[in-house]
Amino acid sequence: GENVEQHPSTLSVQEGDSAVIKCTYSDSASNYFPWYKQELGKGPQLIIDIRSNVGEKKDQRIAVTLNKTAKHFSLHITETQPEDSAVYFCAATPDNYGQNFVFGPGTRLSVLP
Amino acid sequence: DAMVIQNPRYQVTQFGKPVTLSCSQTLNHNVMYWYQQKSSQAPKLLFHYYDKDFNNEADTPDNFQSRRPNTSFCFLDIRSPGLGDAAMYLCATSRTSGRVNEQFFGPGTRLTVL
Repeated sequence: GENVEQHPSTLSVQEGDSAVIKCTYSDSASNYFPWYKQELGKGPQLIIDIRSNVGEKKDQRIAVTLNKTAKHFSLHITETQPEDSAVYFCAATPDNYGQNFVFGPGTRLSVLP
Repeated sequence: DAMVIQNPRYQVTQFGKPVTLSCSQTLNHNVMYWYQQKSSQAPKLLFHYYDKDFNNEADTPDNFQSRRPNTSFCFLDIRSPGLGDAAMYLCATSRTSGRVNEQFFGPGTRLTVL
């Protein structure tokens, strides 16, 4: 089955700097890769996703890149702000309707003012 | 706004006393999921409904059951909660047409077992 690794487990950056979180997956059949942000005491919130037919997607300060050959994808946050502090989860799924999301273990991002 | 709603947000129960958590959605999605999330861990899928079809994960304990009386509502029943069942329980939805795969999560119910 699918296995998703995520690094680093914790990340501290200064406000205004960039943050990069990397994930690798094992199942070449995976075709959908979302990123979720989870603030303390809240449910995960979808912030960006990418499908296997594209290599990069950007939404304001957030971007995701996908390398299907190497089986890895990354989240890039530019101009970080204190409100970006949260736990970020990547996920991968090979299934048609996403019924078998496999989550990475998460990255705790702290943005220091 | 269309959303996933979970009630209650916090639930305290006693060891062995049955408890029911509820989830409703206004997204009209045909797939609903229940996840268990323990502290500092990723969400773990317990089961999901594809329309009315129930799909149990192989390692979900028999202590956990679910009901989906209609498209909008889904319930998680824990028949005899143990101390190890204390966790955040997350409901999520997705659809099988249009932008498939996207899962939308509710705010979660934090369960405490005394």
